[in-house]
Amino acid sequence: EDKVVQSPLSLVVHEGDTVTLNCSYEVTNFRSLLWYKQEKKAPTFLFMLTSSGIEKKSGRLSSILDKKELFSILNITATQTGDSAVYLCAVNNQGGKLIFGQGTELSVKP
Amino acid sequence: GAGVSQSPSNKVTEKGKDVELRCDPISGHTALYWYRQSLGQGLEFLIYFQGNSAPDKSGLPSDRFSAERTGGSVSTLTIQRTQQEDSAVYLCASGWTGAADTQYFGPGTRLTVL
Repeated sequence: EDKVVQSPLSLVVHEGDTVTLNCSYEVTNFRSLLWYKQEKKAPTFLFMLTSSGIEKKSGRLSSILDKKELFSILNITATQTGDSAVYLCAVNNQGGKLIFGQGTELSVKP
Repeated sequence: GAGVSQSPSNKVTEKGKDVELRCDPISGHTALYWYRQSLGQGLEFLIYFQGNSAPDKSGLPSDRFSAERTGGSVSTLTIQRTQQEDSAVYLCASGWTGAADTQYFGPGTRLTVL
């Protein structure tokens, strides 16, 4: 059965800290891995990764994929209170639907 | 023409009643997805419409759940004879078939079954 596992499930840091969120997966037909940020209701798209070793970067956020070891990390540097959210990792297994992990709840304290 | 919209935003119903949840995808998107998110859980796939193909219903938890997509645009998710365990946020997403990896989510409908 395809599955996606995120760790940690929750994390509390202070403003300015750097955090690393982990996502490991087991899928039969990997197509891509996506990261979303969820505040309140609608997840908003952050990154889509398809190739190993190529870092995607957007401001203070960056992500990289390792298709050999079957994991991805999401880094956030110089965290701000506005980064507080649930971060979701999902894998597309070529069937179209996304398989989501449980999410990591990040809380950034002032 | 903004993003994906869903209605209602909140729905409270009594056990045993039927409910209909609506999703308006981004104009031009050919793929439409329904997910469910229970409290403190990740998103659970329910159903996927791709263009004119038969929908992938593999995630529907029981035959009380059904969905249709009319005219390749608006979709309705229907839950019959609701149960308390159906309480969750129901999220709709849309994207482009063939490059459907990036799915754009609506704000969701929070369903509470009393």
